[in-house]
Amino acid sequence: DADVTQTPRNRITKTGKRIMLECSQTKGHDRMYWYRQDPGLGLRLIYYSFDVKDINKGEISDGYSVSRQAQAKFSLSLESAIPNQTALYFCATSDLRATTGELFFGEGSRLTVL
Amino acid sequence: ELKVEQNPLFLSMQEGKNYTIYCNYSTTSDRLYWYRQDPGKSLESLFVLLSNGAVKQEGRLMASLDTKARLSTLHITAAVHDLSATYFCAVDISTGNQFYFGTGTSLTVIP
Repeated sequence: DADVTQTPRNRITKTGKRIMLECSQTKGHDRMYWYRQDPGLGLRLIYYSFDVKDINKGEISDGYSVSRQAQAKFSLSLESAIPNQTALYFCATSDLRATTGELFFGEGSRLTVL
Repeated sequence: ELKVEQNPLFLSMQEGKNYTIYCNYSTTSDRLYWYRQDPGKSLESLFVLLSNGAVKQEGRLMASLDTKARLSTLHITAAVHDLSATYFCAVDISTGNQFYFGTGTSLTVIP
């Protein structure tokens, strides 16, 4: 099983619908992130959380919200989806205590908004 | 605003050839990461560079970091088809463990 699990893996929805993408991890990491990937733009940070009580906006947080339900769970919500939110979304984790501090990614959630 | 620029964006090279991918960033950082992404897949960590002058090598790939020039390179030696993928560099802003990614370099190695 993957250490960082995202659900759903694929979702097609309509404009105006509310969508939640979920992320859970078994790595025991305290830091969790949501990124969005668009062709030619790389990955852009939406939100990040350093622990359950610490939530921070990234560079493109407008139109998104998050919830850190537990150390292992971090959800991303689109309250009213719009077509330009069509993208591949990645959850990632990192370990505060690790010297390297690298990110570990989930398998991605592909969202299409019609 | 932090900018992380990679070039080239697209690279097509023949097997056996050498090439370098460049990653420039616009703010102070001494932590730089390289990731690989296969089509439709997640990102896999390749290298972690944590200080000026750091050099890491794994197989046909070698990464280096010059923090004074704000430049990292990923050098490919004697490319093989299995190296075909998209490569991303990411910079960790020292103040907050936020990772900013380059736009990626799509590498195709032609037999």
